[in-house]
Amino acid sequence: GQQVMQIPQYQHVQEGEDFTTYCNSSTTLSNIQWYKQRPGGHPVFLIQLVKSGEVKKQKRLTFQFGEAKKNSSLHITATQTTDVGTYFCAWGFQKLVFGTGTRLLVSP
Amino acid sequence: NAGVTQTPKFQVLKTGQSMTLQCAQDMNHEYMSWYRQDPGMGLRLIHYSVGAGITDQGEVPNGYNVSRSTTEDFPLRLLSAAPSQTSVYFCASSFSGLREDEQFFGPGTRLTVL
Repeated sequence: GQQVMQIPQYQHVQEGEDFTTYCNSSTTLSNIQWYKQRPGGHPVFLIQLVKSGEVKKQKRLTFQFGEAKKNSSLHITATQTTDVGTYFCAWGFQKLVFGTGTRLLVSP
Repeated sequence: NAGVTQTPKFQVLKTGQSMTLQCAQDMNHEYMSWYRQDPGMGLRLIHYSVGAGITDQGEVPNGYNVSRSTTEDFPLRLLSAAPSQTSVYFCASSFSGLREDEQFFGPGTRLTVL
């Protein structure tokens, strides 16, 4: 079956450093969504990518979908303490499947 | 709009008890779903619905029942609670079940089964 790995599981950075999380699939994905969940909170939608090689930016966040649609990344430039949380990738249609998440801790 | 609401926020059950987790949305969304989130894991889909009267199983449906009699409500029933069902439960909705749409999540219900 389809397997998607999300790495790293955890990352601790100093404020101002960059951060990247990756989702890697063994098969081609139709789409990829990214969510952020603050500690004690619920997942909040960030973005969806559907096209091969697609790149989207939201302020300090850059999202990429690989050319083969088997991998995706979320890059945060110059992290801030407000970026703390767990970032999930998700994919699918009707039966949405979530990755295991990358927990980001930012020290001031 | 209130968005997606869930009740209760917290619940403690004894093994074997039954209960219903409530979920409602006021965005006229066709698609609704239930997830559970366990420590260190992502969200796993329990059941979903693409419209009133239509439900289907997700990845981990055993021990849970759902029904969708109205567009707004999608309750999740635990038939006979087990400690393995201790988890945080999230309800989510999206505009349509016919395309990939962003999911709007409720605040969650934290359930402990003793």
